[in-house]
Amino acid sequence: QLQLQESGPGLVKPSETLSLTCTVSGGPISSVSYYWGWVRQPPGKGLEWMGSIHSRGYTYDNPSLKSRVTLSVDTSKNQFSLKLYSVTAADTAVYYCALGGGFRGWFDPWGQGTLVTVSS
Amino acid sequence: EIVLTQSPATLSLSPGERATLSCRASQTISSYVAWYQQKPGQAPRLLIYDASNRATGIPARFSGSGSGTDFTLTISSLEPEDFAVYYCQQRSNWPRTFGQGTKVEIK
Repeated sequence: QLQLQESGPGLVKPSETLSLTCTVSGGPISSVSYYWGWVRQPPGKGLEWMGSIHSRGYTYDNPSLKSRVTLSVDTSKNQFSLKLYSVTAADTAVYYCALGGGFRGWFDPWGQGTLVTVSS
Repeated sequence: EIVLTQSPATLSLSPGERATLSCRASQTISSYVAWYQQKPGQAPRLLIYDASNRATGIPARFSGSGSGTDFTLTISSLEPEDFAVYYCQQRSNWPRTFGQGTKVEIK
């Protein structure tokens, strides 16, 4: 049974880069021909898909983020990562990693989420 | 971008009652809708995928229907643990998008 866990700083300064990693356990990240994704949720608000990456590096991302997102995958560490550049207070959110967002489309399972606050 | 509009925003019901949640897409999306349940402080949980397929371990009181632009999540008889926020999500096009959510609260 796959399990996902997000990690990274909980506080990022405005204009800096938010970096998060998702560690997958319970199976090799490359063992499934699916995509691995990031979804965020500002406090008290709804869900926003940010992007998804295949274990071979193919990506889809959300144009609403205006090319501020870079996704990467490290199969040797069974991890995939998110970088969000030039953050503002509007990027304050709980960030979730999840299996999905590619051709299968839905998201399951999810990590527990990590709150990232953008503040000086 | 496909916009998903959920209604109502809030549904006030009692345990044992039937809940009917709606999700309308801005364009046709075949049956490519999923439904999630989210409780406070928790990650969303997949309930239904491709409009009517229950995910692993999801009780039979949860059912989904619809195609094209109109979709419904039905909870046949609300249990205390079902009071939560529910989101729909489409996988017809990129970017993947979610509805704004329906909160099912105890009346």
